[in-house]
Amino acid sequence: DTEVTQTPKHLVMGMTNKKSLKCEQHMGHRAMYWYKQKAKKPPELMFVYSYEKLSINESVPSRFSPECPNSSLLNLHLHALQPEDSALYLCASGTGTGVSNEQFFGPGTRLTVL
Amino acid sequence: GEDVEQSLFLSVREGDSSVINCTYTDSSSTYLYWYKQEPGAGLQLLTYIFSNMDMKQDQRLTVLLNKKDKHLSLRIADTQTGDSAIYFCAEKVAGNMLTFGGGTRLMVKP
Repeated sequence: DTEVTQTPKHLVMGMTNKKSLKCEQHMGHRAMYWYKQKAKKPPELMFVYSYEKLSINESVPSRFSPECPNSSLLNLHLHALQPEDSALYLCASGTGTGVSNEQFFGPGTRLTVL
Repeated sequence: GEDVEQSLFLSVREGDSSVINCTYTDSSSTYLYWYKQEPGAGLQLLTYIFSNMDMKQDQRLTVLLNKKDKHLSLRIADTQTGDSAIYFCAEKVAGNMLTFGGGTRLMVKP
């Protein structure tokens, strides 16, 4: 299985809602990433998990809360978001170490905050 | 510095070759990557090149690396309408992170 899957595909939420984005991979990768991508822009790194521990938080507001329950799963919990948080949220996985460290991306969750 | 730059747009006719260019600034980059993103989709890794290589070919794709000028290019031979997408180059930087270019939108006209 060489896929990274993400659910849901689309999400519309109000500013007072709490929701979660989910990501799953079964490639045995030990690094997992959350990126945010605005329209016509490159992905911006948000968080990196390495061996199920948060290793990098790129100064992301606390209304975004990542969680890595096990080596295959990565969640992003959302609470009290702002309309400017509307974007495509991409999950990726990679070996995290070793030589080339390719990152493989999921299809993304298109988030709209009303 | 870790800036990666790409031209915004490229238009070609079906059957022609496309060349997408990228410049980077981090001379310590060991790997450079090309990703393709179709509308509404995630990023698909197309190919990558190690910094001690000058060229890598994979079917219709040819990657050229000029390390002295910090210039990377992706050539797509016999471009098809299905190749229309945004192409991102990225470099591997410290901490196994990727720094992405701004993306080049390739439009293929029939």
